[in-house]
Amino acid sequence: GEDVEQSLFLSVREGDSSVINCTYTDSSSTYLYWYKQEPGAGLQLLTYIFSNMDMKQDQRLTVLLNKKDKHLSLRIADTQTGDSAIYFCAERKGGDDKIIFGKGTRLHILP
Amino acid sequence: DSGVTQTPKHLITATGQRVTLRCSPRSGDLSVYWYQQSLDQGLQFLIQYYNGEERAKGNILERFSAQQFPDLHSELNLSSLELGDSALYFCASSVGLTGSAGTQYFGPGTRLLVL
Repeated sequence: GEDVEQSLFLSVREGDSSVINCTYTDSSSTYLYWYKQEPGAGLQLLTYIFSNMDMKQDQRLTVLLNKKDKHLSLRIADTQTGDSAIYFCAERKGGDDKIIFGKGTRLHILP
Repeated sequence: DSGVTQTPKHLITATGQRVTLRCSPRSGDLSVYWYQQSLDQGLQFLIQYYNGEERAKGNILERFSAQQFPDLHSELNLSSLELGDSALYFCASSVGLTGSAGTQYFGPGTRLLVL
């Protein structure tokens, strides 16, 4: 199956929290990343977490890593219209420069 | 602005033709990666170069080739183009040092349309 899986769509009301989930398969993954892609633009690194961490917080973003279940999530607090984008989860395997990307989750903000 | 530049932004060409996409990595980055993004396939890794040498190969067709020059810029050559090659092509760069976070910084992409 796919190395990195994430749901394709998520709709959230403006002001609510968004939670985007991702699962990966390689237990030797060293770093896990979240990228954001706005329409017509390239991928922008939002944050990353090292595999020996459980949580990382950066302003409105919180990343949770459950290494046992190989589950990664990105929580966006107080979701704004500017958060509307595609969010890609990605993993870097141990001993490798290559990063494997999921297919992306399109976040839609409801007024 | 990620510091990675790609030219051209848009390219329209015909089937059977050949095109060259160019990428300049962030200052100090030694690794360059090429990706293809299409609607049905998502983001597909094509190839990676590190300091002028090919380092990893992904789903790159034989009609496609790439190289990294001594000044570290890279070019992706696409030949015998087919309709299905229409996509966004991204370049990314990273420091490329083992043990670093390996964060890749993406350029704005080149949108290729094959008619």
